[in-house]
Amino acid sequence: GAVVSQHPSRVICKSGTSVKIECRSLDFQATTMFWYRQFPKQSLMLMATSNEGSKATYEQGVEKDKFLINHASLTLSTLTVTSAHPEDSSFYICSASQGQNIYGYTFGSGTRLTVV
Amino acid sequence: GESVGLHLPTLSVQEGDNSIINCAYSNSASDYFIWYKQESGKGPQFIIDIRSNMDKRQGQRVTVLLNKTVKHLSLQIAATQPGDSAVYFCAENLGSQGNLIFGKGTKLSVKP
Repeated sequence: GAVVSQHPSRVICKSGTSVKIECRSLDFQATTMFWYRQFPKQSLMLMATSNEGSKATYEQGVEKDKFLINHASLTLSTLTVTSAHPEDSSFYICSASQGQNIYGYTFGSGTRLTVV
Repeated sequence: GESVGLHLPTLSVQEGDNSIINCAYSNSASDYFIWYKQESGKGPQFIIDIRSNMDKRQGQRVTVLLNKTVKHLSLQIAATQPGDSAVYFCAENLGSQGNLIFGKGTKLSVKP
């Protein structure tokens, strides 16, 4: 089956620093990757959609200069939270898509970001 | 019974009973739906999907029902087990757009 690896699983950083989260599709090529944010006891909120080799499309209210997304290859997308603040503390989850089938939306295991 | 918490509604069931989790989706043009299970601190795990040209699909111990007239989706879990305890989300996909829109989620608690 399709596997998406997300790293790191947990990270603690100081306010003002940047953090990079990686999302890799291990056994398939992901033409599209999605980044979600999830606050405690809430649903997943889509932040941005990235297609390999092109600029990411951000959802309304998501600052593209703060959440930098790079999708340089068909198996890797990265999300960099720049100048992190405590309010950026959240659970970040990536998803990789091959299309609309049973393997179409495979999620990573998530990254718990805590900004202190 | 079912109750609404601060953010997530909760469904409590006895082990061995059947569970029914409901979801109202937002867009009548959505043509693909997925149920996910999310355990604490983990990413969503695929359970079952259904396309809009169907109204029922069965998997192992799970059944998804789709009612497009009222934009309603349900997940039925047969013989619920303690390992089924998690938060369940429905998600809808609007055709070629690609991205999934998630529902609010329901926390399922199974009492042994």
